[in-house]
Amino acid sequence: QQQVKQSPQSLIVQKGGISIINCAYENTAFDYFPWYQQFPGKGPALLIAIRPDVSEKKEGRFTISFNKSAKQFSLHIMDSQPGDSATYFCAAGSAYKLTFGTGTQLKVEL
Amino acid sequence: DTGVSQNPRHKITKRGQNVTFRCDPISEHNRLYWYRQTLGQGPEFLTYFQNEAQLEKSRLLSDRFSAERPKGSFSTLEIQRTEQGDSAMYLCASSLDSRQETQYFGPGTRLLVL
Repeated sequence: QQQVKQSPQSLIVQKGGISIINCAYENTAFDYFPWYQQFPGKGPALLIAIRPDVSEKKEGRFTISFNKSAKQFSLHIMDSQPGDSATYFCAAGSAYKLTFGTGTQLKVEL
Repeated sequence: DTGVSQNPRHKITKRGQNVTFRCDPISEHNRLYWYRQTLGQGPEFLTYFQNEAQLEKSRLLSDRFSAERPKGSFSTLEIQRTEQGDSAMYLCASSLDSRQETQYFGPGTRLLVL
């Protein structure tokens, strides 16, 4: 049973544009929501994370928006760059275990 | 480099053989996790250690899989009698105590079972 649903599966954005990736979760016990970035052949790297007591968190060009009542959260990448081309995973955590979404392949074109 | 390290990075084996992977966590991280990632999917939780104690095992971890973390430092993941369905990337992650959920991942070991 997939507990974290992620969309879209793939995304193409022009350089300078905004990339938006959405996730939805089911388990209300989740209390930690990180986003990871993964390049081919590498392990996932933490990008930004949020807890359910805030509705938005911004770090540089990356922003997480969190809607607790809808059980949804999203990643916004502002001023997308070709170097942002990677696979992005949302995840939801409780205590210690992370449940990941299926990933979004982002391609930023010149 | 003080990140999580994993060895080997790649392993090709024949069906039925045993394989063992090693993970060295970030120094002083007392939590260590193993995940499995198949192509086009997100990592799936396999097991978790708090120091040397293995506290949870996923149903994905069949009896052919065993993980250890002697002395609470490095960890090994062994797969016995490998099957083609075991082909995947095996990821290790580590974190500090329970108030710090940030998990830092290693580069993974890619296993191919022929």
